[in-house]
Amino acid sequence: AQSVTQLDSHVSVSEGTPVLLRCNYSSSYSPSLFWYVQHPNKGLQLLLKYTSAATLVKGINGFEAEFKKSETSFHLTKPSAHMSDAAEYFCVVSEDNFNKFYFGSGTKLNVKP
Amino acid sequence: ETGVTQTPRHLVMGMTNKKSLKCEQHLGHNAMYWYKQSAKKPLELMFVYNFKEQTENNSVPSRFSPECPNSSHLFLHLHTLQPEDSALYLCASSRKGLRANTGELFFGEGSRLTVL
Repeated sequence: AQSVTQLDSHVSVSEGTPVLLRCNYSSSYSPSLFWYVQHPNKGLQLLLKYTSAATLVKGINGFEAEFKKSETSFHLTKPSAHMSDAAEYFCVVSEDNFNKFYFGSGTKLNVKP
Repeated sequence: ETGVTQTPRHLVMGMTNKKSLKCEQHLGHNAMYWYKQSAKKPLELMFVYNFKEQTENNSVPSRFSPECPNSSHLFLHLHTLQPEDSALYLCASSRKGLRANTGELFFGEGSRLTVL
């Protein structure tokens, strides 16, 4: 069965410092993996996706993620946090050729001045 | 602008009211979804439509009634709701091939529903 675990419900960083949001998954198939961001009272916006091409995926706003099959992880990183990065981030796994999507419970990122 | 538009953005209704949420996508997609997002709970899939046909109902109470008249429009009709139904309702769309979807979900900005 598919599952997605976001290891931290809240992460707090200072502006200008690196961001690491962790995601582990279980999958019976070769998964497709996504990170979405949600700002308050907004919908989910796609940050980046992995679909069996390069394992290091670059997304919008300076974010990137690395697919590590041996560790079943897809952690999201950014070298330097901005205040505008404060939001909730969701890791999503898709199986069965995108017929099913499994969402993590979300990580709220707080960026301190 | 994601190409998925939801109206209204905010809705307050009493438990005896009947209202509807609307979703429209301008992306040429043929799969549409309703999700419910409640505070402190994971995102919950409610309904899936592929090529206008409902392919998934995730044990949603009958007080929520979806309608998909064409691949671009999706409605969620609401009646006799309960206060615990207050949540953000998100619509999404994706492109479906002959046997499977071919890509990621595109979300609207959501309809914030408050049931008094």
